[in-house]
Amino acid sequence: QVQLVESGGGLVKPGGSLRLSCAASGFTFSDYYMSWIRQAPGKGLEWVSYISSSSSYTNYADSVKGRFTISRDNTKNSLYLQMNSLRAEDTAVYYCARGGHHQLAFDIWGQGTMVTVSS
Amino acid sequence: QSVLTQPPSVSGAPGQRVTISCTGSSSNIGAGYDVHWYQQLPGTAPKLLMYGNNNRPSGVPDRFSGSKSGTSASLAISRLQAEDEADYYCQSYDNSLSVFGGGTKLTVL
Repeated sequence: QVQLVESGGGLVKPGGSLRLSCAASGFTFSDYYMSWIRQAPGKGLEWVSYISSSSSYTNYADSVKGRFTISRDNTKNSLYLQMNSLRAEDTAVYYCARGGHHQLAFDIWGQGTMVTVSS
Repeated sequence: QSVLTQPPSVSGAPGQRVTISCTGSSSNIGAGYDVHWYQQLPGTAPKLLMYGNNNRPSGVPDRFSGSKSGTSASLAISRLQAEDEADYYCQSYDNSLSVFGGGTKLTVL
């Protein structure tokens, strides 16, 4: 079945780095834009970044620009988010989702992975 | 402060009808971008509930309906059921980047 499974979350100190992964299955991964969306504890949803199907285009929310890098490997059906210079305000559940451009909805979501930035 | 504005909470009794509003501006909803809606049950990931303003994905009951006019959109839930208790988020685009509403908590009384 169509599925997205995130991994790589955990506890990291302020200023540290973490790399999230998202494994896709059940659809032709290389055909779709993919995104990362996060949700701080008790808060709403915040779009973080998207990447085009062939990796030609990426974009980021102002809150993470210059610190986070989105990438993908279509041979491995995988999406990544490299997070550097982490701050306390980056603490959130991070979801990968299919979509994020051309007015399209996020039609498939993963279960999320928790990132906690704390000393 | 979210780009799209939703009421923090709404409530209704079983069997009733409730609506959740999503107010934007001329740079997002008013610019012609579609509005999508997501349902997030407690402790779970969001799920697509409505896409392209008023289209239901397969499996979503026809008790859910969506509309859009001008710079606003609405999600209506009729014949309210206990299982509808959840957080609901609207989403659109602003200068081609995705934006979300702050979310609305629906309580079924």
